[in-house]
Amino acid sequence: DTAVSQTPKYLVTQMGNDKSIKCEQNLGHDTMYWYKQDSKKFLKIMFSYNNKELIINETVPNRFSPKSPDKAHLNLHINSLELGDSAVYFCASSQPDKGAFFGQGTRLTVV
Amino acid sequence: GEDVEQSLFLSVREGDSSVINCTYTDSSSTYLYWYKQEPGAGLQLLTYIFSNMDMKQDQRLTVLLNKKDKHLSLRIADTQTGDSAIYFCAEIGGSTLGRLYFGRGTQLTVWP
Repeated sequence: DTAVSQTPKYLVTQMGNDKSIKCEQNLGHDTMYWYKQDSKKFLKIMFSYNNKELIINETVPNRFSPKSPDKAHLNLHINSLELGDSAVYFCASSQPDKGAFFGQGTRLTVV
Repeated sequence: GEDVEQSLFLSVREGDSSVINCTYTDSSSTYLYWYKQEPGAGLQLLTYIFSNMDMKQDQRLTVLLNKKDKHLSLRIADTQTGDSAIYFCAEIGGSTLGRLYFGRGTQLTVWP
């Protein structure tokens, strides 16, 4: 059973399109995250939810909108995609005494 | 924001020990973690240490924490070519609920 699963794994789309990435965790964790990993492998936190409530919203363009329908799901919707949005997006869930567990990532390529 | 610093590259010979270092700034960090990322893959949690511990050993991995100097290290004994990957240090700050900060990662290359 995959602990944190995100779909799709690869996403190639044109500039200006709107796309969504879905994430689900079956670990019973309270906190979920979205991270962006750039071409230099730097991991930057975008959002964090705790029990469906947004607790961290870093400086991210408002074209990015997270949605958490329940504690086990955190989806990411991106409007009007730009070339600079190309990156690998990771979903994660955590409990502090257990660490954060990551999905396999979604490689987004905007052309 | 919080800072987590790591050196970017480390090369070792197969069979030697590797030591990857990390420094952080948040004195109220509660948990510190080491992650491994292989090419094209996600992040795998290797080990973690609670801030009131000095050392944790798990098979070939030894984590040392110097809380006074805010220094964390990961030692890999008998390093193998399969250990080649990027290693990330991360911490959850006590003052920043839910925010898991990562260093930039250390690329470990193991030569046969």
